[in-house]
Order: sequence, then structure tokens, then C-alpha cells
Amino acid sequence: SAVISQKPSRDICQRGTSLTIQCQVDSQVTMMFWYRQQPGQSLTLIATANQGSEATYESGFVIDKFPISRPNLTFSTLTVSNMSPEDSSIYLCSVGVSPDQPQHFGDGTRLSIL
Amino acid sequence: GDSVTQMEGPVTLSEEAFLTINCTYTATGYPSLFWYVQYPGEGLQLLLKATKADDKGSNKGFEATYRKETTSFHLEKGSVQVSDSAVYFCALWGDSGAGSYQLTFGKGTKLSVIP
Repeated sequence: SAVISQKPSRDICQRGTSLTIQCQVDSQVTMMFWYRQQPGQSLTLIATANQGSEATYESGFVIDKFPISRPNLTFSTLTVSNMSPEDSSIYLCSVGVSPDQPQHFGDGTRLSIL
Repeated sequence: GDSVTQMEGPVTLSEEAFLTINCTYTATGYPSLFWYVQYPGEGLQLLLKATKADDKGSNKGFEATYRKETTSFHLEKGSVQVSDSAVYFCALWGDSGAGSYQLTFGKGTKLSVIP
């Protein structure tokens, strides 16, 4: 299975600032996904980032707040913009090879906003 | 749309007890089903999977059978250990519409195993 590295693993940020999270995969993958996991909650899909096309955002998430880049088949970034305490969550990237194969997840980025 | 319903937690068991975590789903078509585990302070790890009806996924002593007739994928383990303490997520990978595949998660069940 793919090995996924996320950076940073955790950060504490000031209100109003932005943070870019990186997701690096050790093999080429078609599908990459970004999720948010609020404290004590399940995972919510933010967007799907397939290389060569614009990211597709789920209801409740917008590009201005969570811009995503997918420059190649092994890398993606998620930016959390103009952060507020409500953005304190774990952000996870995952990769998928095909619809009948499971997604694999990075270890996540634990973000706290003061 | 697709949905996954998991039994509410937290669940506290003594070591060597039998574990069942119930999971039922609603989906169109023929989704793939997964159990993921999240240990404290870590990301999600795939525990087991089943891609078609009557498939049994198994790993680390955990098992789950894809039951299409009851739309269920219950997780079981015969004898839990303290190291099994984690949050367990049931998930469905299916067509969310217009050919767009999406992983839908249950709310998670926190398991604590005490010595």
C-alpha cells in the first residue's frame, strides 16, 4: 500500500493566519482526498483532488477557505485560510487507486488555533 | 445518499472479552465496505475490507462479513486485548452520484479495554 507523509504533523496558529499542509505519496495515485476530523468526531470529506483538474469541494467547504493544489500524481497541498478557533481539527489526506480498493490515510495534521 | 450507522460508544470491555461493533449501511449499487482503526494520537489505518456480498474481511483477529441481505458489516473479535483500545470507524466506498466515488464514514466507536 502507498506510504503517505503529511507535514506538519501538528501546529498551533494564531487567529487570522493561514497554514498550508503538504501530503506526499511514495507512488503515483489518481485520487487524493482531504478530510477534516473535528475533536471527538468522525471524518468529513473536504474535497477531492485529482491531478489535472480542479478540486471538487463538498457542501459546506469553499475554495477561498480551503484552497487545494495538486501539481502532480504524488503531491497535494491544502491551505486553511484566515483561521479561527473553529478550524481546530485534524486534517487528513488520503489516496485512492481505484473504486474497489480502500483509501489509505496519512497520519494527519493536528491544528490548534488560538 | 450513502450513509453508515455505527453503534454508539464508548464501549468498555475487560481483556479477553468478546467484541461486537454493529455497522449498517444504506447505499445504491454494490459498495465496498471497510473498517478503519484510529489509535490515540494517530491517523487512520485500514483494519479490514470486503468488496462484495458474503466476503469476510479479517485481520489481527478481527472479522467482519459483508451481509447484503441485512446491509450490515459488523466487526467482531473473540478476545480483545488492551492494545485494541482505539476508535473504530465503519466506512463505505461507493458511487455518491454522477459517477463520483466517495468514502462515507460512520461516527466511530471508541473502545477501551481494561486489564
